[in-house]
This record gives sequence, structure tokens and C-alpha cells, in this order.
Amino acid sequence: DVKVTQSSRYLVKRTGEKVFLECVQDMDHENMFWYRQDPGLGLRLIYFSYDVKMKEKGDIPEGYSVSREKKERFSLILESASTNQTSMYLCASSRFDRASYEQYFGPGTRLTVT
Amino acid sequence: GQQLNQSPQSMFIQEGEDVSMNCTSSSIFNTWLWYKQDPGEGPVLLIALYKAGELTSNGRLTAQFGITRKDSFLNISASIPSDVGIYFCAGRSSGNTPLVFGKGTRLSVIA
Repeated sequence: DVKVTQSSRYLVKRTGEKVFLECVQDMDHENMFWYRQDPGLGLRLIYFSYDVKMKEKGDIPEGYSVSREKKERFSLILESASTNQTSMYLCASSRFDRASYEQYFGPGTRLTVT
Repeated sequence: GQQLNQSPQSMFIQEGEDVSMNCTSSSIFNTWLWYKQDPGEGPVLLIALYKAGELTSNGRLTAQFGITRKDSFLNISASIPSDVGIYFCAGRSSGNTPLVFGKGTRLSVIA
């Protein structure tokens, strides 16, 4: 079974803090993704990565950065957290072949910025 | 960017009823996926479709890849309380591009 884990299920941070969200997958997947999920807006892609040290902007990258130093780990960084970044953050991974479209998600991190 | 229109947005049904939901796109997709998200959890893949016209079942769930390649349907037969959740469709148009997600159908089952 594919396992995608996220470092925290719930996180509370203050405005202006630097926030790290970590994601680890154990299936040797090449592709990794970060989404945020807000009521009524569905899943919105923040950043994705096809390989180590590679990153691509998604639909809403502003205010975020990412790091992929190892194949199994993809980190999302909020350089200076703001209240409008309060959201559910979901990490996903997939293979780089025909089945690459089958993304597997972690349990999510619910981040509250106060 | 590309958008998927998923409907209905929400459904309230009686236990035992069948459920249908669909997803449409303005452009052709080569892959359609259906996910379910339980409250407080990440989405879980239910069914993946790769060919136009393909009909695939997973237990009480059946999904179809529309012939026009611009739509997909998910049916749930004989619903039970644990079917409650948000169902998302997702599609991919070409290459190794990221999936595009619908906004979800929230299903509530009344026992």
C-alpha cells in the first residue's frame, strides 16, 4: 500500500512565523504535489515536483515555497504566515508513468494562522 | 487554467438509494479519476479510467469515461451510511501535467 505521511495533523501558528509542512512517501514515487483545500474552492495546486531538486509552480504559488532535497520528501514552506493561509494542506505523490495520474494523498495538515 | 464542472454540489439521500454524480470539462481529457474524502482525512482513490467509453466497477461503485472524453460519471448503488463524504472527480489532458480537480459533491446519507 502506498503511504503518504504528513508531519502534523493540526498546526497553529502566529502571523509572520515561518512554517514548514513536511511530506514523506514510501513508494519511490517521482512526482509529489502540494494542495490547499478550502470550503467551496476544492483542491488548488500550490507547487509540484517531478524529481529531486525540481519544482514547478501550480495555480496558487504566491506566499509559498517548496524544497525537494530527497526523492521521498517534499516540504512546503510559508515564509511569513498570514491569516489567509489558514487552510487544510494536502500532499500527494504519484509515479512517473501511465499510472502517474493516480495520485495518492496524505491525511492532511489543518493549519490555523492567528 | 482548465476547469471541471462537478454536479451536484451536494446530495441528501436515504440509505439504500442509488446515487449519480458527474463531471464535465470544456476540453478533452485522457484520464478520469474519482476520489472520496472522509471528514478530516485526505482523498482516497476509488476508480481510475483511461479509455473513452470505459466502464469500471469497484464494489457498489461504477464509473464511466464518457465517449466524448469530456465527461465522466460515478454511480453508487444501495447507499449506506459510510458512503458519506465528499466525492471528487479529477482529469488529466496530456503529458505529465498535474490533475485538474472538480470542486466535489458532498454526499449525506440519511439512515
